[in-house]
Amino acid sequence: AQSVTQPDIHITVSEGASLELRCNYSYGATPYLFWYVQSPGQGLQLLLKYFSGDTLVQGIKGFEAEFKRSQSSFNLRKPSVHWSDAAEYFCAVAINNNDMRFGAGTRLTVKP
Amino acid sequence: DAGITQSPRHKVTETGTPVTLRCHQTENHRYMYWYRQDPGHGLRLIHYSYGVKDTDKGEVSDGYSVSRSKTEDFLLTLESATSSQTSVYFCAIMGNPDNEQFFGPGTRLTVL
Repeated sequence: AQSVTQPDIHITVSEGASLELRCNYSYGATPYLFWYVQSPGQGLQLLLKYFSGDTLVQGIKGFEAEFKRSQSSFNLRKPSVHWSDAAEYFCAVAINNNDMRFGAGTRLTVKP
Repeated sequence: DAGITQSPRHKVTETGTPVTLRCHQTENHRYMYWYRQDPGHGLRLIHYSYGVKDTDKGEVSDGYSVSRSKTEDFLLTLESATSSQTSVYFCAIMGNPDNEQFFGPGTRLTVL
């Protein structure tokens, strides 16, 4: 069955520390891959996306993600976290226009 | 920001009553989607539309119906609301071929 897994429900990091959020997917083919961020009470904002080509993609707010086909993973990274990065992060995959699946989300807390 | 609005933004209703949520876009995009967001589940697709009067079911469509009589409006109806439909509902649109979806601000629905 098609699925998206974000293994970490909640992560806490100190401000200025590096961050990696994990995402694994289970699909028959390479899907389109996305990371979204959601601040409390807000909608989802696209951070970055991967369709093809260079497996390291850059997004907004200093985030990047690396697609690893052999591991079926698309992990999100940031070298230095800011307090304003505290939010919930969702990985999503899509095979076509009608089938986008989301992970359960990872909530990020940033310690001062 | 993509031109997507949702109304109402908050609603409290009673079990058994009908409820209609509206999604309005100003982007003239072909694809529109309704999702629900619940803790531990991320976002799950309820219904989607690929054009005026063209709709189809998503992953969690039971108890919901939709209509799209104009490009700009996509309505989600709960014919007889149940407590299990208490959730946050998000509308999304997609206009380009890259499967990138833009989300509205959400509607928080509470069914008592």
